[in-house]
Amino acid sequence: TQLLEQSPQFLSIQEGENLTVYCNSSSVFSSLQWYRQEPGEGPVLLVTVVTGGEVKKLKRLTFQFGDARKDSSLHITAAQPGDTGLYLCAGVGHSGGSNYKLTFGKGTLLTVNP
Amino acid sequence: EPEVTQTPSHQVTQMGQEVILRCVPISNHLYFYWYRQILGQKVEFLVSFYNNEISEKSEIFDDQFSVERPDGSNFTLKIRSTKLEDSAMYFCASSDQGPYGYGYTFGSGTRLTVV
Repeated sequence: TQLLEQSPQFLSIQEGENLTVYCNSSSVFSSLQWYRQEPGEGPVLLVTVVTGGEVKKLKRLTFQFGDARKDSSLHITAAQPGDTGLYLCAGVGHSGGSNYKLTFGKGTLLTVNP
Repeated sequence: EPEVTQTPSHQVTQMGQEVILRCVPISNHLYFYWYRQILGQKVEFLVSFYNNEISEKSEIFDDQFSVERPDGSNFTLKIRSTKLEDSAMYFCASSDQGPYGYGYTFGSGTRLTVV
């Protein structure tokens, strides 16, 4: 059983469409982060959400942390081919554990077709 | 934009050999980490390092592995007697504010291939 379940695993859409990817867990986290990873590169931090119910926006990307701090979503508006990549969620401090290590999901591979 | 630098980018080694992976974290960061990603699998935590000592390690990080901060800038991961299953991308990361993961920055990784 994965601690952090991401869905969908793969997503292929047309330019201009909207999409939402999900990160779910049965565990409570101190915070949740979203990363984007390109092939052969390290994950790049997009956002950190800490407070239950928190919403953060980064241009066309909207991130939400669930009220119970067990889940999160990433919504992209008007997707562009440059948004193509692997989106990873990572939790910090699950169930009162370490606040210094990240527990990653397996990721959502997004392809935006021109 | 400050970055975490890892060398080498690729390393091929024979089974049983020792390898040292090197990292230069962001200069004002205090917390250092190693993660690995086996091809097609998720990124996994190996070890965290703070104040010149290991603060946490995973069950993957057994006696085969060790970390060191030999000077004020470098952070190394040593793998003794490598095994085929050690083949993976190894990522170094550093962070400044500790809790909640703020400021977490990953390097581009070292691809280790054990043959």
